[in-house]
Amino acid sequence: QVQLQESGPGLVKPSQTLSLTCTVSAGSISSGDYYWSWIRQHPGKDLEWIGYIYYSGSTYYNPSLQSRVSMSIDTSKNQFFLNLSSMTAADTAIYYCARESTTFGARLWDFWGQGTLVTVSS
Amino acid sequence: EIVLTQSPGTLSLSPGERVTLSCRASQSINSRHLTWYQQKPGRAPRVLIYGSSSRAVGIPDRFSGGGSGTDFTLTISRLEPEDSAMYYCQQYHISRTFGQGTKVEI
Repeated sequence: QVQLQESGPGLVKPSQTLSLTCTVSAGSISSGDYYWSWIRQHPGKDLEWIGYIYYSGSTYYNPSLQSRVSMSIDTSKNQFFLNLSSMTAADTAIYYCARESTTFGARLWDFWGQGTLVTVSS
Repeated sequence: EIVLTQSPGTLSLSPGERVTLSCRASQSINSRHLTWYQQKPGRAPRVLIYGSSSRAVGIPDRFSGGGSGTDFTLTISRLEPEDSAMYYCQQYHISRTFGQGTKVEI
């Protein structure tokens, strides 16, 4: 079955840009049935959707993060990417990549990565 | 932004009990746009219910969802010890937001 795996730095300095990669295996990232998402979970357990990217490169971002977020996709490598700029301590969280499926007559995240903890600290 | 408010915050229950969790939206949403997730410590969330009332693949029938408009519920009919977890509602009617979660302790 489909597997997703996040990779990237565990520690980022304030004001820097976070760059994360999600590698998808056992499934094509080019399928038109899915949107490739980033979601984060703050230490207090609150979940926050960051945005998604489609295989075509079209994106949809959380309005509250839109000014700092960019996503990209490399279908040849079955990977998609997150950049989050101007990081602050409030961005410390577990970052998940997930697949948003449209195949059930509804939208839902049916496969998730294990998550990667990103800490913002000097 | 649509704010989802879940109640109660924490529940401590016994195996075999029935429990209903509440999720209230700050504005009316299409019931198809409401999803419930379960999360256990150290794990990613897992989808339980989509379209407010459809069970996801592999989810036991003791889990059921309902509601419409601004008020939605997740019911666990006969609690099992493995149901100890956080439960989150989530909407995609406008953008995507989550409730703050209900912790269920068995």
